[in-house]
Amino acid sequence: EVQLVESGGGLVQPGRSLRLSCAASGFTFDDYAMHWVRQAPGKGLEWVSGISWNSGSIGYADSVKGRFTISRDNAKNSLYLQMNSLRAEDTALYYCAKDKSSVGATEYYFDYWGQGTLVTVSS
Amino acid sequence: VIWMTQSPSLLSASTGDRVTISCRMSQGISSYLAWYQQKPGKAPELLIYAASTLQSGVPSRFSGSGSGTDFTLTISCLQSEDFATYYCQQYYSFPWTFGQGTKVEIK
Repeated sequence: EVQLVESGGGLVQPGRSLRLSCAASGFTFDDYAMHWVRQAPGKGLEWVSGISWNSGSIGYADSVKGRFTISRDNAKNSLYLQMNSLRAEDTALYYCAKDKSSVGATEYYFDYWGQGTLVTVSS
Repeated sequence: VIWMTQSPSLLSASTGDRVTISCRMSQGISSYLAWYQQKPGKAPELLIYAASTLQSGVPSRFSGSGSGTDFTLTISCLQSEDFATYYCQQYYSFPWTFGQGTKVEIK
């Protein structure tokens, strides 16, 4: 059974940093691209960042480019999101999501999601 | 950026109804469209990809159609567990974007 478990969320002041983690199990982690998608309270979904299976291809939404860094550790079956210079508008539930892609490819849609970790940016 | 217009935003329906949700793109995306269902307090779940391919395990009452700029999600016979919010997502062109969502509520 595919499981994605996010952690690392919390309350943080504007301008500070936070690192999110996603522990994956139930599939061959290093075969698949992975993504972060966020949802502000009461709002819709926004793709934040994605990383290919071998970290060779990485992308960011314009809203986070230059502030957030995605990474993965295939040996630990883990995905990360380093978030710096946080803003109030970054307040959201952050989901880790598995790409639907077949091995080695990236499709950019998501067949499994974690339950999310809440990030609140407020003074 | 591809702009997506999902309609309606709110749909009131009864169990057993046939419902359709529309997703219109600002430019053609071939069939690079996915649909998700999200229930309150839960993560989204993939229903359909490639505009019309049903994800494994999804009931056959769900179907998708369309290509280019106009797409439709249809639920043929609404069940109680289908009351949720539905999102379309394009994966044709970066950045990957979602529609604003359609909430299907009990009439």
